[in-house]
Amino acid sequence: GAGVSQSPSNKVTEKGKDVELRCDPISGHTALYWYRQSLGQGLEFLIYFQGNSAPDKSGLPSDRFSAERTGGSVSTLTIQRTQQEDSAVYLCASSSGLAVPYNEQFFGPGTRLTVL
Amino acid sequence: AQTVTQSQPEMSVQEAETVTLSCTYDTSESNYYLFWYKQPPSRQMILVIRQEAYKQQNATENRFSVNFQKAAKSFSLKISDSQLGDTAMYFCASLSGNTGKLIFGQGTTLQVKP
Repeated sequence: GAGVSQSPSNKVTEKGKDVELRCDPISGHTALYWYRQSLGQGLEFLIYFQGNSAPDKSGLPSDRFSAERTGGSVSTLTIQRTQQEDSAVYLCASSSGLAVPYNEQFFGPGTRLTVL
Repeated sequence: AQTVTQSQPEMSVQEAETVTLSCTYDTSESNYYLFWYKQPPSRQMILVIRQEAYKQQNATENRFSVNFQKAAKSFSLKISDSQLGDTAMYFCASLSGNTGKLIFGQGTTLQVKP
């Protein structure tokens, strides 16, 4: 498909377990963003990638959260020792990253994470 | 820091009528962009409309238009001739700096009633 894809669609895990969430951006998009949508916090920015580097990771809530991007394409968001407050929908978006006034972000369908 | 505020958690409108969703923002940047996104139950975020701050003319996309009041830092969305498919959560957002990250409001859940 031509859009942003994310897997899994839903993930249920037990408190204390590690989880990996995957994002496949639109082909050729150099910029990639992770956002978290939770009941208490609304929709918040987590991390931004340009290529394989992350110049802005200011939104990661704790050192249990990390993300990487390889080959300028797929990105993985890892949450270690999950807590119940990590339960949320994790959204990924990508954009062309070209030097234009702004770059529209295209969103994936998200991964709903439930920590029991 | 940029902030975006939506003060209407829920709204409803009758089909074919007009509804306005409110949004206020705060930014120290001289040039910026504002957006309205729609999120239906499928969770897929869809860009509805965007506004460049340097443009005085309000953006319009078919049944969707904005009322951009720069001095008041207000950016409301008007949906005309509401349709059942407009039922969704709507987020107001601003574009932050040179990373392009979006700062979102809390969202407004809109229900269009038949």
